[in-house]
Amino acid sequence: KAGVTQTPRYLIKTRGQQVTLSCSPISGHRSVSWYQQTPGQGLQFLFEYFSETQRNKGNFPGRFSGRQFSNSRSEMNVSTLELGDSALYLCASSAISGTSLGADTQYFGPGTRLTVL
Amino acid sequence: GEDVEQSLFLSVREGDSSVINCTYTDSSSTYLYWYKQEPGAGLQLLTYIFSNMDMKQDQRLTVLLNKKDKHLSLRIADTQTGDSAIYFCAERGRSGGYNKLIFGAGTRLAVHP
Repeated sequence: KAGVTQTPRYLIKTRGQQVTLSCSPISGHRSVSWYQQTPGQGLQFLFEYFSETQRNKGNFPGRFSGRQFSNSRSEMNVSTLELGDSALYLCASSAISGTSLGADTQYFGPGTRLTVL
Repeated sequence: GEDVEQSLFLSVREGDSSVINCTYTDSSSTYLYWYKQEPGAGLQLLTYIFSNMDMKQDQRLTVLLNKKDKHLSLRIADTQTGDSAIYFCAERGRSGGYNKLIFGAGTRLAVHP
């Protein structure tokens, strides 16, 4: 099976712009979660989507949003970029919803490195 | 609250065993995970353990869980230079949704000849 893919891998934007990142989960996986990784804050949960619905949300401002399509592909959007948004954005997929308990695990993509100038 | 702590750095000699430690605070944690991250890459799942287990072995990897002390460790036997990476401990609890992983800051493992 192909793994989680994320596009683009690298992105450079300027303050005030907006950006859209894309994630394609492992075939058959219906849950997609997004994480932000920075040297200062480490890995932080952004949100999770399952069946096109946002199930959980982390503690991030409303400038961070996402959506999921019927084929389980997900996008996240950051509007009005700030310097502090520079980070590695990681997407993870799993077969089950975050409201279910099971032995399933999350598999991560290679990430999109966003640099805000 | 939810918090996961790890020591930041570990240096070992090639061929020795490495032990990476982690403590967590959420007593309702269901699964605990170890991920590996190499430079410029995403997170690679190494192994996981369910909270009702004490130990899990997978080839060179041994995970020990002390639920009373909320302590998790990852032992890598016969450590190789290819094991040099950052290792993240993560918990998956009940609060905030099962697919919300709480990560530690990561332990950078350096393997030298």
